[in-house]
This record gives sequence, C-alpha cells and structure tokens, in this order.
Amino acid sequence: QKEVEQNSGPLSVPEGAIASLNCTYSDRGSQSFFWYRQYSGKSPELIMFIYSNGDKEDGRFTAQLNKASQYVSLLIRDSQPSDSATYLCAVRSNSGYALNFGKGTSLLVTP
Amino acid sequence: DAGVIQSPRHEVTEMGQEVTLRCKPISGHNSLFWYRQTMMRGLELLIYFNNNVPIDDSGMPEDRFSAKMPNASFSTLKIQPSEPRDSAVYFCASSPQTGELFFGEGSRLTVL
Repeated sequence: QKEVEQNSGPLSVPEGAIASLNCTYSDRGSQSFFWYRQYSGKSPELIMFIYSNGDKEDGRFTAQLNKASQYVSLLIRDSQPSDSATYLCAVRSNSGYALNFGKGTSLLVTP
Repeated sequence: DAGVIQSPRHEVTEMGQEVTLRCKPISGHNSLFWYRQTMMRGLELLIYFNNNVPIDDSGMPEDRFSAKMPNASFSTLKIQPSEPRDSAVYFCASSPQTGELFFGEGSRLTVL
C-alpha cells in the first residue's frame, strides 16, 4: 500500500502568521506532488503542484519538496481566516496516473 | 468553461436499491476518476479511465460496484445493491494531459 501521511490537526495559527503543513509519502518512485484545499462540505480544489526538489512559490503559498526525505510541505504566509480548511496532500507515482491522497490536515486561522 | 458536473448532488435510498451516479468531465480532458470520501478513510480511488478505457479498477470495493464511460463526455458509477456502508461522498474528477485533477461538486449518498 502506497501511503501518504498527514497530521490530522487541527493546526491553529493566528491571523497573519505562517502556517506550515507537512506530508510524507512511502513510494520512492513518486514523481508529482499536489496540494488541494477542501472547505467543509465542498470539493477539493487545487492549490499548486510541484515536481522538482526545492521550493515553488505561488502568491502566499510555497510548496517545498525533498525527495530524499520523501517529504512535501505547504507554507501559507499571512494566513487569513478564509484559509481555514482541510489541506490534502496528493502524490502520483511513476507507475500510475491516479493521485493517492492523504487524509488531510485541518487548519484553523484565528482572528 | 464549465467544470466537472455531477448528478445527483444528494441521494437518499434504502438498502438493496440500485444507485446510479453521473459525471460529465471537463471538455478536452482525457482522464476521468471516481473517488469516494469518508471521514474514516479519506479520499479513496475507485476507478479511473484514460481515453474512455478503464485503466485501474482495483479500488472498486466489490462486484456491487461498476463504472462505465461510453464516451468522452459521460461516465456513470453504479451500485447494485446498495448497502449502508456505501454511504459517502462520491467525487468525479477529470484531468488534462498535464495531470492535475479537477473535481466535481460530489454526490452525497446516504443508504438507509
């Protein structure tokens, strides 16, 4: 079973702080990594994806990938109450096309 | 452009009844996925299609579940007979060649 692990949380951060969300995966052959945000009762929506080791920035979001440590993270700068949601990490291996999702980390940004 | 369209949004049925969930993917996307989400198990892949052909159905729980994609713009997921443990939110997602998944709003199924 190819596993994607996330701390379920909740992770609570004050408004304006940096939220750091972490994800580990078991399949060393994984090639593509995705972060989705899911509000309660809604569908997952793509935030960003990363393929190469290092950092990738998109607005207030930064994805970080370390393939040697099998670790992916998402940083959210200047966190807003509207960022309160569940964040899902998803991984695609090089042997398949579907995404394998973690169970998500619940983020709460307090005013 | 319209997103992934799923119907029905909510379905309440009794154990033993047949359930059919429908999905229209985003035009031009060549892959379609059916996922199921529960609190306990999170998002689980049931089956995916590439160019209308089923590629991996290893996530389909048992023979009660079947999925079809007769053309590029339509797919169904059928459960017959339904059981209370099938209660979940069923998501359809489609993907272009670049690989990101775009999800529909989901179909919330309750089996009594």
